[in-house]
Amino acid sequence: QSVLTQPPSASGTPGQRVTISCSGSSSNIGSNHVHWYQHLPGTAPKLLIYEINERPSGVPDRFSGSKSGTSASLAISGLRSDDEADYYCAAWDNSLSGPLYVFGTGTKVTVL
Amino acid sequence: EVQLVESGGGLVKPGGSLRLSCAASGFTFSNAWMTWVRQAPGKGPEWVGRIKSEAYGGTTDYAAPVKGRFTISRDDSKNTLFLQMNSLKSEDTAVYYCTTDDPRYFPNWGQGTLVTVSS
Repeated sequence: QSVLTQPPSASGTPGQRVTISCSGSSSNIGSNHVHWYQHLPGTAPKLLIYEINERPSGVPDRFSGSKSGTSASLAISGLRSDDEADYYCAAWDNSLSGPLYVFGTGTKVTVL
Repeated sequence: EVQLVESGGGLVKPGGSLRLSCAASGFTFSNAWMTWVRQAPGKGPEWVGRIKSEAYGGTTDYAAPVKGRFTISRDDSKNTLFLQMNSLKSEDTAVYYCTTDDPRYFPNWGQGTLVTVSS
């Protein structure tokens, strides 16, 4: 069950900048790093951003992350048609019952 | 290149069991922590649980909805991760992914295998 809230959709034209928000709480985003995953349905999800704004090798610097308090954001600049995908934020949650990694509800990005 | 290939999904009746496998290659599997994540239709991903490497005791952690019903294990001699699922419920219907576990985040994912629990 998703405990991080994202807008269901976002869109832009090629070349534009799109921002996706992710809202959590003090037990997850407020006290842990945020990660972002990109998922094209039918393919393997891909780690896009880790520890707020670090990119794995091969991820272009058009993708950037930020965090403030219990919220985080992913920005995609210079939007391209192959950026059309579902994007999920995620973070560890300081659950009293043990380790728990929580994901966002997901945002579908459409390139107009 | 890291490759993770899940198998074993299918249709199972409520209350039934299923065992998923994840064949790993391209990295030293015995040193790796591994995680299972699932995604129900139309929903966001959900962390199922993880298994640490033997160097860290090979211990496991599970999410509350599956604790006591699911068991994660590994065979380092065969570079394979397993997910034994018992007492399956309709809400367990999902695509199940195995991932490498940094353990801060999940760098590599498989393509997933679909599990459908329905009578």
